[in-house]
Amino acid sequence: DAKTTQPNSMESNEEEPVHLPCNHSTISGTDYIHWYRQLPSQGPEYVIHGLTSNVNNRMASLAIAEDRKSSTLILHRATLRDAAVYYCILNDNDMRFGAGTRLTVKP
Amino acid sequence: NAGVTQTPKFRILKIGQSMTLQCTQDMNHNYMYWYRQDPGMGLKLIYYSVGAGITDKGEVPNGYNVSRSTTEDFPLRLELAAPSQTSVYFCASSPLGEPLASYEQYFGPGTRLTVT
Repeated sequence: DAKTTQPNSMESNEEEPVHLPCNHSTISGTDYIHWYRQLPSQGPEYVIHGLTSNVNNRMASLAIAEDRKSSTLILHRATLRDAAVYYCILNDNDMRFGAGTRLTVKP
Repeated sequence: NAGVTQTPKFRILKIGQSMTLQCTQDMNHNYMYWYRQDPGMGLKLIYYSVGAGITDKGEVPNGYNVSRSTTEDFPLRLELAAPSQTSVYFCASSPLGEPLASYEQYFGPGTRLTVT
């Protein structure tokens, strides 16, 4: 199974950008890169996904390395409501969640 | 749309009891999933279904059963509950599309189950 590596935790200041890294050196050509987040005591929430090109949506941006072996989720202005566990997942019709990165946002 | 709803929110079971966790989605999604999440860990797939009448095992199916008689409902059955099944259970759904991997999953709020 293709796996991802993320830092256990990161901190950010409110209203500053946050870059959450993810390494996936064994990614295959058909794996989509998905990001989900899980707020405390809630179910996971879809954030963004991509295959090869960078992607933007109302929540975040996804920057994918040219060799696809790493990606970065970018929150342009962190708010206190963005404090959550962020999961980077390789999806080839089978999503495997790791432990994710716990993001703390300081006021 | 209510999205994905799960009942109950909380439940305490004694060892050996059985129960059914309910999951309903109103988005007309073909795919539905059951995950469990142990404390401090990521989610693990228990069972999934690609449509009414079709189910398949995920990563950790032992001790659970599922059925899918309608598009909307995907109940998870625990027979002979054990302490190892203490966990938070999440149901999810996603639309039918090609490739499936390009579609996001929508999750319910979860059921917190304790087996003592």
